[in-house]
Amino acid sequence: KNQVEQSPQSLIILEGKNCTLQCNYTVSPFSNLRWYKQDTGRGPVSLTIMTFSENTKSNGRYTATLDADTKQSSLHITASQLSDSASYICVVSPGGYQKVTFGTGTKLQVIP
Amino acid sequence: EPEVTQTPSHQVTQMGQEVILRCVPISNHLYFYWYRQILGQKVEFLVSFYNNEISEKSEIFDDQFSVERPDGSNFTLKIRSTKLEDSAMYFCASSDVGASYNSPLHFGNGTRLTVT
Repeated sequence: KNQVEQSPQSLIILEGKNCTLQCNYTVSPFSNLRWYKQDTGRGPVSLTIMTFSENTKSNGRYTATLDADTKQSSLHITASQLSDSASYICVVSPGGYQKVTFGTGTKLQVIP
Repeated sequence: EPEVTQTPSHQVTQMGQEVILRCVPISNHLYFYWYRQILGQKVEFLVSFYNNEISEKSEIFDDQFSVERPDGSNFTLKIRSTKLEDSAMYFCASSDVGASYNSPLHFGNGTRLTVT
């Protein structure tokens, strides 16, 4: 069964600090992996998309890494801001059609 | 920047009633989706739609659900006879190419459906 597991479930960090969120998946075959940011009560917003041949992708202060061999990805946030407080969701596409698999998300809270 | 819009933002209905959730995808997009998120749980795929027909659906998308693109702009999700367990946030999304390609899904801000 295709699964996407994220850790930690929640995280509290001080403003200005860095953090790393983890994603492990068992989706097969694999097409791409996406990280989304979801503010409370809003739809997810795409941060990065990576295929199996890409090891890293950056979007401003967000840097995603992918190890397709170990089926792990991470999202690193540098110099966190209060507006980074949100859920971060890892989403994996199996290369089929639209049956992407969502992770349960990591809820990040940035405090002053 | 173009965006996906959903209406209403919140819908309250009684069990057994029919509801229609509406979405206006980004105008040049060709692929349309519905997802749902039960409170505190992960986002779940319901259905994808391309070229005026369902391209894939999940086991959640049973006979009480239907989708339609009645005109060139709207994309609707109908729940025929709502159940308590249909209470969730329903997200519409669109993309210019299929999800297996490197194009982001653009999500609307959702419709919160409450079935009483």
